[in-house]
Amino acid sequence: EVQLVESGGGLVQPGGSLKLSCAASGFTFSSHWMHWVRQAPGKGLMWVSRIKSDGSSATYADSVKGRFTISRDNVKNTLYLQMNSLRAEDTAVYYCAGALYYFDFAYWGQGTLVTASS
Amino acid sequence: QTVVTQEPSFSVSPGGTVTLTCGLSSGSVSTDYFPSWYQQTPGQAPRTLIYSTNTRSSGVPDRFSGSILGNKAALTITGAQADDESDYYCVLYMGSGIWVFGGGTKLTVL
Repeated sequence: EVQLVESGGGLVQPGGSLKLSCAASGFTFSSHWMHWVRQAPGKGLMWVSRIKSDGSSATYADSVKGRFTISRDNVKNTLYLQMNSLRAEDTAVYYCAGALYYFDFAYWGQGTLVTASS
Repeated sequence: QTVVTQEPSFSVSPGGTVTLTCGLSSGSVSTDYFPSWYQQTPGQAPRTLIYSTNTRSSGVPDRFSGSILGNKAALTITGAQADDESDYYCVLYMGSGIWVFGGGTKLTVL
C-alpha cells in the first residue's frame, strides 16, 4: 500500500523558517517525480514545487521561488520542503504528492498544517 | 499569468449526469496540457480521479470520465450519487515544469 506521511508543520512567526518532510513507502520512491501542493484555509489547491526522480531538477510556483527549496533523499525515501522567509499568506495545509506518469498527482499524503503568524 | 478556470459551483440530481469543465483564461486546453482531475471532501486529502485527459485512476468507478470538449477539459459524472458531493479540482501542465490548479468546483447532489 502506498503511503505518504508528512511532518514538520507548525506555528512559525512571519520571516521564520520551517522544513517539512514526507516519508514515502509502498512504491519505488526513487523512480517517481514528487510534488508539494498546498491549500490555504477555505481555499483551493495550489501547486508549489516539483522535483524529478533523481533530484536533478526542481521547479517552483512564482509565489515561492527564491524562498522555498524542494529536495529528496532516495536512500531514506523522503521528500523535503525547506521554507524560508515565511509570510502570512503561506499559511496552508501542505500535501506531498507523487506522480505515476510524470504529469499527474497519483499519490497524496494527508497533509501537514503550516501557520505563519505572530 | 494564465488562469485555469472552473465553474465555482454546480448541482446535479441523484442519478443525473453532470459535466464539469476546466479552461484557460487565454487559449484552449488540449491533451498537451495533460489535464487531470481530483475529488476532495472537507478535511480530507484529494483523491485522484482522472489523469492524462481520460485515464481513470485505479479503483475509480467508470461513472467518472474525462475528455476534451471544445476548448476545455471536461469531467463527466453519470448516475450521480450522494457521495459524489465534493469539491472537484483540475490541474493543467503548463510546460517548463509548471502546473496550475483550477479554483475548484463545489458539486452539490440534490
